[in-house]
Parts: sequence; structure tokens; C-alpha cells
Amino acid sequence: AQTVTQSQPEMSVQEAETVTLSCTYDTSESDYYLFWYKQPPSRQMILVIRQEAYKQQNATENRFSVNFQKAAKSFSLKISDSQLGDAAMYFCAYRSFYTGANSKLTFGKGITLSVRP
Amino acid sequence: DAGVTQSPTHLIKTRGQQVTLRCSPKSGHDTVSWYQQALGQGPQFIFQYYEEEERQRGNFPDRFSGHQFPNYSSELNVNALLLGDSALYLCASSQFKGGGNQPQHFGDGTRLSIL
Repeated sequence: AQTVTQSQPEMSVQEAETVTLSCTYDTSESDYYLFWYKQPPSRQMILVIRQEAYKQQNATENRFSVNFQKAAKSFSLKISDSQLGDAAMYFCAYRSFYTGANSKLTFGKGITLSVRP
Repeated sequence: DAGVTQSPTHLIKTRGQQVTLRCSPKSGHDTVSWYQQALGQGPQFIFQYYEEEERQRGNFPDRFSGHQFPNYSSELNVNALLLGDSALYLCASSQFKGGGNQPQHFGDGTRLSIL
């Protein structure tokens, strides 16, 4: 079974600065997908960024980028130029490649990010 | 284009009762997954429905059951409620034959409180 670990329960960043959220995972599979989701107090899970394990290039979406280290099974999220609206809970999630496009998501416990004005 | 909608928003029940939560998937989606998110925790997968059948199931007891209708909407039923069932229940939808990296789209969830 796959597991996702987010060991930092809380992080804080000054507005306009950069913050990195850590995530590690454990799997015996060679192909899979990794995601970062954001959950603001409104509760809806919003996809931030995704990474296919078979791609060596790290994914980037505007101010959000990942550092994907497959051998180390590490998948960190970097938020540049932090904004007040980035304050939320962030979840790292894993999805198997082999059990189909709709296989379940396995989530970490999440990190609460606060942004100081 | 309506996203994933869930009802009700909040629900209060007592131990031993039964509850039904509802979900309408995003337009164009045919697969519905349900997750339970305890306070301060990440979501845990309950089960997934496609073509009105349960396709995958997480580590949840038989008290948790579901249904999918021909219009792709879904219900989550929980019987004999326990205090530990208090949580946010999230519904997510996707296309079964979509690409492997497609995200699941989530609703706002139903907050279930057991007294």
C-alpha cells in the first residue's frame, strides 16, 4: 500500500516571500501521479499542481513549482511571491498509474500555511 | 458549467441513526468518489462508483454504502452512526476514460456532526 507523509503540520511565510512545503511518499510502483491540493476554509479541494512520475521535468504552474526527486520519493511544493490568498491547508496526494485513471487518491495529513502581511 | 455539488452542507445526527449524503458530479463526468476527512486530517478514500457499480473500496466498514444513479449522481449512506463518523465528507468526480493525470474535481463537502 502507498503512503504519503507530510511531517510539517504548520508553516508560516511573509507575504511576497517564498516557502517550500515538504512531502514524501512510499510506493513500490514505478509509474504514478503526484498532486498538490489546496483547501481553504471554504473547504473545497482545489488542484494546485500535478506531476507524472515518468516525466523528469518538474511541473510549474505560475507561482507554484515542484521539486520531484523520484529516487528519494520526495515531492515538495514551492510557492513564490506568497500572497494572502495562499493561506490554506495544503495536501500532497498520490495516485497509482496501474490501477487506472480513476484510481483512488491517497492523501497526506496536510500542512496549514499561514501568510503574514 | 456547474462543478461538483453536494447536499446538504451541514448535518447533525445522533448515534445509531442513519444518514444519506448526495452528490452531483461535474458536467461531463461519469465517475464519483467519496472521501471522509476527519478534523485536521487528510481525506480518506471510502469508495468509487462508475456505471452504477462500486469499483473500488477503501478500508471502511459495511455500514458505509453507496449508490449511483443513471444520471451519474451518487449517494453515500451511513448506518448505525458512531461518534467517530463525525467528519467532512467530500465527493469528487472525474471521467472514467480520461487521461491518467486528470485531476478529480471536488465538491465543498458535507459536514456531518454526530451527537
